[in-house]
Amino acid sequence: IAGITQAPTSQILAAGRRMTLRCTQDMRHNAMYWYRQDLGLGLRLIHYSNTAGTTGKGEVPDGYSVSRANTDDFPLTLASAVPSQTSVYFCASGTGLATGELFFGEGSRLTVL
Amino acid sequence: GQSLEQPSEVTAVEGAIVQINCTYQTSGFYGLSWYQQHDGGAPTFLSYNALDGLEETGRFSSFLSRSDSYGYLLLQELQMKDSASYFCAVRGGGSARQLTFGSGTQLTVLP
Repeated sequence: IAGITQAPTSQILAAGRRMTLRCTQDMRHNAMYWYRQDLGLGLRLIHYSNTAGTTGKGEVPDGYSVSRANTDDFPLTLASAVPSQTSVYFCASGTGLATGELFFGEGSRLTVL
Repeated sequence: GQSLEQPSEVTAVEGAIVQINCTYQTSGFYGLSWYQQHDGGAPTFLSYNALDGLEETGRFSSFLSRSDSYGYLLLQELQMKDSASYFCAVRGGGSARQLTFGSGTQLTVLP
């Protein structure tokens, strides 16, 4: 049982480059989320999708875009990376939060130089 | 928007009981969740309270008081493996499907 798979696990990127973080789930969850985690700031929501074909902005969406073409995949794209986007990115999925439970991937550690 | 407050660090000894508090502010409230995260790992779900009272799951319990906008996570019979960060997260605000996380509490369990 894979759950949520994120790729890459780690990446060093030059500022100004475009980068897509991939996220795939095999639990058929309707809702998917992208969070970033920075030291001392906890997890902050970047973008979310309540169901395939729809997306929404979270707390810190600037500089990021997402798409949800199908139920399983939810890629996060940095169009032109900046050093402040250095962070650990977590993808998560859930059924609709009746239980308050999200399932997280193992994270993608991104360093922008 | 939403905001949550929890202590940044807590230290306790093996076998003890520790309580991690969380206060929140949100426009519209659906529930409070707790997550555990070991260093560098994925956050994992521990518990969820939508109604006032205590929810017990093994050594862990979670409490909610909606009138006080307050909850806590209680860890009993602490073990070394419980050393981790613990996050409270509120489901509320504009979308019932979104979780807003606190900054986390680093729990250190000493032998």
